[in-house]
Amino acid sequence: QQPVQSPQAVILREGEDAVINCSSSKALYSVHWYRQKHGEAPVFLMILLKGGEQKGHEKISASFNEKKQQSSLYLTASQLSYSGTYFCGTVVVSSNTGKLIFGQGTTLQVKP
Amino acid sequence: DGGITQSPKYLFRKEGQNVTLSCEQNLNHDAMYWYRQDPGQGLRLIYYSQIVNDFQKGDIAEGYSVSREKKESFPLTVTSAQKNPTAFYLCASSGTAGVGGELFFGEGSRLTVL
Repeated sequence: QQPVQSPQAVILREGEDAVINCSSSKALYSVHWYRQKHGEAPVFLMILLKGGEQKGHEKISASFNEKKQQSSLYLTASQLSYSGTYFCGTVVVSSNTGKLIFGQGTTLQVKP
Repeated sequence: DGGITQSPKYLFRKEGQNVTLSCEQNLNHDAMYWYRQDPGQGLRLIYYSQIVNDFQKGDIAEGYSVSREKKESFPLTVTSAQKNPTAFYLCASSGTAGVGGELFFGEGSRLTVL
């Protein structure tokens, strides 16, 4: 049930772009993206709903391909503050309740 | 300020002891969640509750118990039956049913079993 993220780790220089992918073996109702800095709680970035996408930040955007059961997070012109671990979360519906299941995370390190 | 408060931040426990982690929210959210985080394994769902007096098991519920007697509180008990309880525990809440909205996380509780 856990979505699969790729790559597991990325190292960038400031100003470079990155793409983080999230794929699921089950149909996706929505996809969440969060960023967690070391020792801190995860922080919400954006949510993509079935049939559409929602951009949460200026240089961080995401796409949602329902047919392929995939979502991708795009970070453009990366800044030092982008460093952290990125998690995608997919909603699994069972017995009329929904639960958010997270991928294993992608660690992003931006260097000067 | 609205938010989620977890306590304690750090906790040490001897093997065989139960321990309860507190999670309180003043966001008036219906849904609350407990996740466990281990290095390299992401966030794994332990229990979740979408309404008071009701909760469901997540993917790794064995050795844990919860209660939801009040809307604002969702305590997690790590029992002696949990074989590897040392981890970082995160509580979260959401105002949207079915997890259609964002999750707000607490600062976490780090449990170490000696």
